[in-house]
Amino acid sequence: DTAVSQTPKYLVTQMGNDKSIKCEQNLGHDTMYWYKQDSKKFLKIMFSYNNKELIINETVPNRFSPKSPDKAHLNLHINSLELGDSAVYFCASSQSRLTNTGELFFGEGSRLTVL
Amino acid sequence: AQRVTQPEKLLSVFKGAPVELKCNYSYSGSPELFWYVQYSRQRLQLLLRHISRESIKGFTADLNKGETSFHLKKPFAQEEDSAMYYCALSGHGNQFYFGTGTSLTVIP
Repeated sequence: DTAVSQTPKYLVTQMGNDKSIKCEQNLGHDTMYWYKQDSKKFLKIMFSYNNKELIINETVPNRFSPKSPDKAHLNLHINSLELGDSAVYFCASSQSRLTNTGELFFGEGSRLTVL
Repeated sequence: AQRVTQPEKLLSVFKGAPVELKCNYSYSGSPELFWYVQYSRQRLQLLLRHISRESIKGFTADLNKGETSFHLKKPFAQEEDSAMYYCALSGHGNQFYFGTGTSLTVIP
């Protein structure tokens, strides 16, 4: 009955590879996010989707492409992985602004290591 | 533009001592402010929000609009409070912005 689940939890891969991280939420929320937490624990928003529509796209390389097949899922695909992509990626969800409780629900994170 | 600033990356206090984690924000309009906490090997979770004006696990935070601050305080720190704390701001359109985080260590 996990609210926000991400897979995989750990991912080790070589530079240049393409990988995906999946996220699913069963809270009925209509907004989902991807955050990147680097080695210094800085937490930075990457993307935000509301009802499958992209609403936030921070300065993120084009190699990163989010995909939202429905409002319960937001996947992150990364092409041509680089060493600097190594981080923990967190998925999160929240209710829409109209009824916003102000709470983000986070997944457990996916630790990506690029060798 | 940096919307949320946490000036201390690391903070160590002794058990039983008061603790204050600083947070300043910059935002036009009326943002909502939150504190999130990440305990070791756990996911980020909401600790408290300014609109609730509640005390959670002994922590309180008061929104000071004049100083644009939302400092997190606890009168007597406990070992289990050791964690990473993030101040966050929610603005228009469900945008959440996080500070750089403060790692709190409570020394036994």
